[in-house]
Amino acid sequence: GEDVEQSLFLSVREGDSSVINCTYTDSSSTYLYWYKQEPGAGLQLLTYIFSNMDMKQDQRLTVLLNKKDKHLSLRIADTQTGDSAIYFCAESMAGGFKTIFGAGTRLFVKA
Amino acid sequence: NAGVTQTPKFQVLKTGQSMTLQCAQDMNHNSMYWYRQDPGMGLRLIYYSASEGTTDKGEVPNGYNVSRLNKREFSLRLESAAPSQTSVYFCASSDGQRGNTEAFFGQGTRLTVV
Repeated sequence: GEDVEQSLFLSVREGDSSVINCTYTDSSSTYLYWYKQEPGAGLQLLTYIFSNMDMKQDQRLTVLLNKKDKHLSLRIADTQTGDSAIYFCAESMAGGFKTIFGAGTRLFVKA
Repeated sequence: NAGVTQTPKFQVLKTGQSMTLQCAQDMNHNSMYWYRQDPGMGLRLIYYSASEGTTDKGEVPNGYNVSRLNKREFSLRLESAAPSQTSVYFCASSDGQRGNTEAFFGQGTRLTVV
């Protein structure tokens, strides 16, 4: 069945890079997403990647996709305390109505 | 723009009570969703509405009902609340017509059933 897995916690020092990893099982997924959830708020889309891409860069964010291994990662360069949040990996198919979310990785940034 | 608005933000219910969570979006989206978020389990889809007039079960529909009142509004009803329904509930919407099904989320409703 469809499943998205990610580690639950990551702790980094301010200024370092953070790498959050995710694995998914549905090889027919068309879109893979990273959402960010700040305390007391809903999820906000950070970035997404098409399944036919290997990499996408957006300012401090780099998304890497290894389709063969069904592995997705999010790298945050120069991590700041404001990046402390829960990051959700998600997958869906084009035009599909079901987005499958991982359990979320809680990122702690130490000053 | 307000985006997706959920009410209430917090609610405490006694076991067996009923309530309706309200959700409205102003982005003219076709699709709307209700999720619940529990620690360590991510978001699980309760019900969704692909378009006005249709609703479908998600992963965890038992104990819930939904109504897509019009294109803007999608409500979630708990007929007889149980402690297992203590959770944070999120409404979301997306433009199901486009390939990128980015979802926009409300702020959430924190529900406690005692």
